Amino acid sequence: GAVVSQHPSWVICKSGTSVKIECRSLDFQATTMFWYRQFPKQSLMLMATSNEGSKATYEQGVEKDKFLINHASLTLSTLTVTSAHPEDSSFYICSAGGQGVTEAFFGQGTRLTVV
Amino acid sequence: GQNIDQPTEMTATEGAIVQINCTYQTSGFNGLFWYQQHAGEAPTFLSYNVLDGLEEKGRFSSFLSRSKGYSYLLLKELQMKDSASYLCAVMDSNYQLIWGAGTKLIIKP
Repeated sequence: GAVVSQHPSWVICKSGTSVKIECRSLDFQATTMFWYRQFPKQSLMLMATSNEGSKATYEQGVEKDKFLINHASLTLSTLTVTSAHPEDSSFYICSAGGQGVTEAFFGQGTRLTVV
Repeated sequence: GQNIDQPTEMTATEGAIVQINCTYQTSGFNGLFWYQQHAGEAPTFLSYNVLDGLEEKGRFSSFLSRSKGYSYLLLKELQMKDSASYLCAVMDSNYQLIWGAGTKLIIKP
């Protein structure tokens, strides 16, 4: 199957700083990227959907100014958590879909801990 | 290594019942999830099992046996709209999600 690479796998940052997470589709053109957040023992929660070259669509309750999503190319999308706070500590996972790709393939996830 | 196995594709008839199996080998266990994904859409959450047994939710049920590293998703009274991919995912001891490759379910009239 297709490969989606997410980096970093884990990150610890200080409260108030910003963290960038990258999601790359390695062997196909990802026209659509999904970003999820998951708290322990809970289901994935979709944060936003981004299409290459256009603004991301955010789910209700997700602050677009806090979670900046950029999908500037068909192989790369980034999620930047700005002014991170301890309550932003979570597991973030991306998935990618594209033309002719019937399934969304998932990155490995990023565990963010804000201290 | 960590591994999730589920069939690549299954076919069933409208109105029938289908069972999608998932076996796993992970470092630790903090729950198993089933997701449904229609083509071109984000996955949607179906169920979460952390204790052994059957969880029923409408037409969908999910079963877990931790000792056997086994789960299944049971779909009853199949409808055409159930044609989708079904993803099994296990959360390991580090709360990392290990994903199966998904089972594509084709429903025929």
